[in-house]
Order: sequence, then structure tokens, then C-alpha cells
Amino acid sequence: DTGVSQNPRHKITKRGQNVTFRCDPISEHNRLYWYRQTLGQGPEFLTYFQNEAQLEKSRLLSDRFSAERPKGSFSTLEIQRTEQGDSAMYLCASFSSGGTDTQYFGPGTRLTVL
Amino acid sequence: GENVEQHPSTLSVQEGDSAVIKCTYSDSASNYFPWYKQELGKRPQLIIDIRSNVGEKKDQRIAVTLNKTAKHFSLHITETQPEDSAVYFCAASYTGTASKLTFGTGTRLQVTL
Repeated sequence: DTGVSQNPRHKITKRGQNVTFRCDPISEHNRLYWYRQTLGQGPEFLTYFQNEAQLEKSRLLSDRFSAERPKGSFSTLEIQRTEQGDSAMYLCASFSSGGTDTQYFGPGTRLTVL
Repeated sequence: GENVEQHPSTLSVQEGDSAVIKCTYSDSASNYFPWYKQELGKRPQLIIDIRSNVGEKKDQRIAVTLNKTAKHFSLHITETQPEDSAVYFCAASYTGTASKLTFGTGTRLQVTL
């Protein structure tokens, strides 16, 4: 177990509903990343935090998506007004900048939008 | 931005044979190249990585080679075993700033008995 945890592991929702996912990184890691993975594809970068600061957002992250890391520890990713195209695995990863560069992934949250 | 291409998309080998997966990247600034193994329904797990100041790295049955000039890097698995069956992803990043990973599209490796 790499130590990154995500909740919930699965989420089924109806189109138009809001959903929120949580990521708890490895405790000493200051960097936290969100990626999205669709079936048969590699993970795609969404956004990342250094401590509590959100430093970059991908153009994949529409204005319906928002992420926070309020105290530089856990992070939340919220999707408002979900669409069927949002169905994917949402992966969180963390690492310590200035360390080994290895990003450790969580188990992911699988979102299904009906 | 960075673009990573990965081939082949599927690879079937017999147990004991070698497997080679190849990736190319587009951004010459990329300096870190990890390989992840992902089993069905599981998280991606790092199996080996290489930095741009090194041409080759080996860890038991797994090796990675990097050709910076051609912007190619490859994963080599020798003496394959059934438990090597999984999807393998290459990735590239520049560790100087965001360190965000750009992944290839994955290779499904099937090791048959």
C-alpha cells in the first residue's frame, strides 16, 4: 500500500447532480495531483497543488470542476452538474518536491454518470 | 505541451520470452521518464524510472533505455511470468516546474503459459 487513499471508491450519480471526491496523500508529501483516466487510456493531468496553492489547471478542467486543498493536506475535487462524459476514474497522486520525483497514486474513484 | 506515443497497444508473449514496449516523446525539456504497471481495477504502480542524464537502468528482470537525441525510451522485461500480465504506461515530465506526468496510451501485456 502506497499510503495515498481516496474516497469514495465508486460513485454512481444521475446527470446534473454534483459530486465530491476526497484524496488523502502521503502525509509528508507537499505536492498533490489529480488525473482522470478513461477506459483504455492513460491518466490525463487535471490539476496540481503545492501545499495549499493550486498552481496549474489543465484545459480539461472545465468551470464545472473545482479542486481545493485547504490546509495543504487532503484535497477535494468537486464536479458540478455532472455530464455523462464525466464518467471516468479520477486518480490522485502525491510526491515530495525535492525528493525522488516518484508520484504515488491512490486507488482512484470510479465515477459513473447515468 | 508534451505528447507521448506508446507502441504496441497489445503484446502477447509466451512465458519466459522477453517483452519490449516503446515510447516517444515530443518535448525536449522532459527529463524524467517513469513506467507504471496497472492491473485491472488497481492503481498505477511505479515499476522503474529513468532520468535524462542516464541512458539505461536495470532492476532485476526490468530495464529501461533512453535515447534523448531521438526522444525514445523503451521498457524491456526479460523472462516474463504470468504475473507480468497487466497494462503498462510510459510517461514523461519536466521536473523543474509542475512535474505533471504525460502518459502514453498504454500497452496491454499478456503472458501466456
